[in-house]
Amino acid sequence: AQRVTQPEKLLSVFKGAPVELKCNYSYSGSPELFWYVQYSRQRLQLLLRHISRESIKGFTADLNKGETSFHLKKPFAQEEDSAMYYCALSGRGVNAGKSTFGDGTTLTVKP
Amino acid sequence: DAGVTQSPTHLIKTRGQHVTLRCSPISGHKSVSWYQQVLGQGPQFIFQYYEKEERGRGNFPDRFSARQFPNYSSELNVNALLLGDSALYLCASSSGTGVSGELFFGEGSRLTVL
Repeated sequence: AQRVTQPEKLLSVFKGAPVELKCNYSYSGSPELFWYVQYSRQRLQLLLRHISRESIKGFTADLNKGETSFHLKKPFAQEEDSAMYYCALSGRGVNAGKSTFGDGTTLTVKP
Repeated sequence: DAGVTQSPTHLIKTRGQHVTLRCSPISGHKSVSWYQQVLGQGPQFIFQYYEKEERGRGNFPDRFSARQFPNYSSELNVNALLLGDSALYLCASSSGTGVSGELFFGEGSRLTVL
C-alpha cells in the first residue's frame, strides 16, 4: 500500500530562518513525488515535483530513495511562505493522477 | 482559462439524501480525479476518470459513484448520505497522458450533512 507521512502538523519559524518540512513515503515501485501548497483562501496548487529538480520560490526538495524521503527545504523563510503544505505521490503511466497525500504541515513564518 | 471549476461551492444536505457534484477540467485535460478532504486531513483519492473510463477507485463505499462526459466534465454522486460524508470534495484535472501525475485542483465543493 502506498502511504505518505508528514510527521509535523505545525511548524513555526522566524523570518530569515531555514525551514524544512518532512515527508516520508512508502510505495512499491517508482513513484513520482510532489509538494503542493495551499495559501490562505486559495486553491491547492503544485509547488514542485521531484522529476523537474527545480527550485520554486526558493524551495527545493530532494528525493532520497534510500530513506524514502522527500523533504522540502528553504534556506531563508519569508512571511509569504506561511501556508499549508502537502506532500503527495503518484504512480506513473496508467497510475498517474491517482495521488496519495499526506495530512499536511501548516507552516507559519513569524516576522 | 478559468482553471478547474466546481459547482456548487457549498451545500447542505440531510442524512439519507443524495448529492451530485460537478466539475469542469482545464481545457485540453482528459483526466479528472475526485478527492475527499476531511478537516485536518489530506485529500483522499476517490475516483479517477480518463477518456470517460474509470481508471481507479479509492477505498470508498458503493454509495459513491462518478462519471465523465464526452466533453471531459465529470459528476460525483453520493447516495444515502451519512454525517461522515461531510467534507470538502475536490476535483482535479490532469493531462492524463501518463507522463506526469501533476494535478490541477478546483476550489472544491463543501458538503455539510446534517
